[in-house]
Amino acid sequence: GIQVEQSPPDLILQEGANSTLRCNFSDSVNNLQWFHQNPWGQLINLFYIPSGTKQNGRLSATTVATERYSLLYISSSQTTDSGVYFCAVEETGANNLFFGTGTRLTVIP
Amino acid sequence: DSGVTQTPKHLITATGQRVTLRCSPRSGDLSVYWYQQSLDQGLQFLIQYYNGEERAKGNILERFSAQQFPDLHSELNLSSLELGDSALYFCASSVDPGQPQHFGDGTRLSIL
Repeated sequence: GIQVEQSPPDLILQEGANSTLRCNFSDSVNNLQWFHQNPWGQLINLFYIPSGTKQNGRLSATTVATERYSLLYISSSQTTDSGVYFCAVEETGANNLFFGTGTRLTVIP
Repeated sequence: DSGVTQTPKHLITATGQRVTLRCSPRSGDLSVYWYQQSLDQGLQFLIQYYNGEERAKGNILERFSAQQFPDLHSELNLSSLELGDSALYFCASSVDPGQPQHFGDGTRLSIL
């Protein structure tokens, strides 16, 4: 099956700092989503971005499908951004999401 | 609020027992997916239904089964429970495969 690698595995930031999270995948996809899992375990859908660039407030994401990677940018981080960020892809022809192992982000005041 | 409703939120039971987890998809979504999140295996796909029919299977154990009913809600049945089945079980829904999946808040299952 498709491989999904996320980096870095852990990230600690001072409040107000910016960060970039990366997701590499091993095959062509027809769906790519970024999720934030908060400390209560909820999976919050951040972006549906199989290709191109999207922005939502302090967050933005870019997927370069031809080079098989996606980036999630977090600007002016806040303590509420803490949690685990997952990249998940749906391989072309498949019907389910494969999740990466996540990036655990801790934002300290 | 994703629009996907899962019940119960928490479930505590003993080894050997059987439980049923329930999911109501977002209005208009025909596809329902079940995922398991455990400490050692991460987030894994279990099974997908589309408009009442099974569409795809992932790493679902034979002790587990699911179905999607005519009103599109879905149930995941877990039987002969083992300690290793303790996990967070998510349901997700989408309009069609390839479209964004929206996740419920999960059911946290603890086996004692």
